[in-house]
Amino acid sequence: DADVTQTPRNRITKTGKRIMLECSQTKGHDRMYWYRQDPGLGLRLIYYSFDVKDINKGEISDGYSVSRQAQAKFSLSLESAIPNQTALYFCATSEPYSNQPQHFGDGTRLSIL
Amino acid sequence: AQTVTQSQPEMSVQEAETVTLSCTYDTSESDYYLFWYKQPPSRQMILVIRQEAYKQQNATENRFSVNFQKAAKSFSLKISDSQLGDAAMYFCAYRSSGGSNYKLTFGKGTLLTVNP
Repeated sequence: DADVTQTPRNRITKTGKRIMLECSQTKGHDRMYWYRQDPGLGLRLIYYSFDVKDINKGEISDGYSVSRQAQAKFSLSLESAIPNQTALYFCATSEPYSNQPQHFGDGTRLSIL
Repeated sequence: AQTVTQSQPEMSVQEAETVTLSCTYDTSESDYYLFWYKQPPSRQMILVIRQEAYKQQNATENRFSVNFQKAAKSFSLKISDSQLGDAAMYFCAYRSSGGSNYKLTFGKGTLLTVNP
């Protein structure tokens, strides 16, 4: 089983809908992240969480919200989806040490029509 | 703020040959970490190799090695004996060791094609 699991794997929805992307991990890491990947732009940080009570905005948080339900679960919500939020979304986890890599889920491809 | 630049949007290599992917970064910090991630068509993000800035020795992982030039702020990835399975998007990433060490800053990626 994957250490970092994202659901759904793919999602197509309509403008204005509320969408939740879910992430769960079995690595026991306190730190969790949500990134967005767009073609030609690499990955950009949306939100990050150091623990259940510590949630912070990343560089592109507008239009998104998150919830850290437990150490192992971190969900990303789009309250009212718009077409330019069409992207590949990644959840990642890490230990609190700079030399340790982030571990990524397999991504959720989200298309907003 | 740190920036990471991958100047080669696309590269190609013949199977069994060697290819080098370029990455430069901009930072005022002296201590940090650098990573190369591979993203195959399956879209997973797979760690290829990492380098600590305080180490002068270049990191190596089997067929993958880096050329880390701290003064030039350059971190290139060399893939030797290229295989068809190496075809992927490759991302260079920077992570601070200081107060912003939560964040990975990514380059825009280099798409590597391996020709049989």
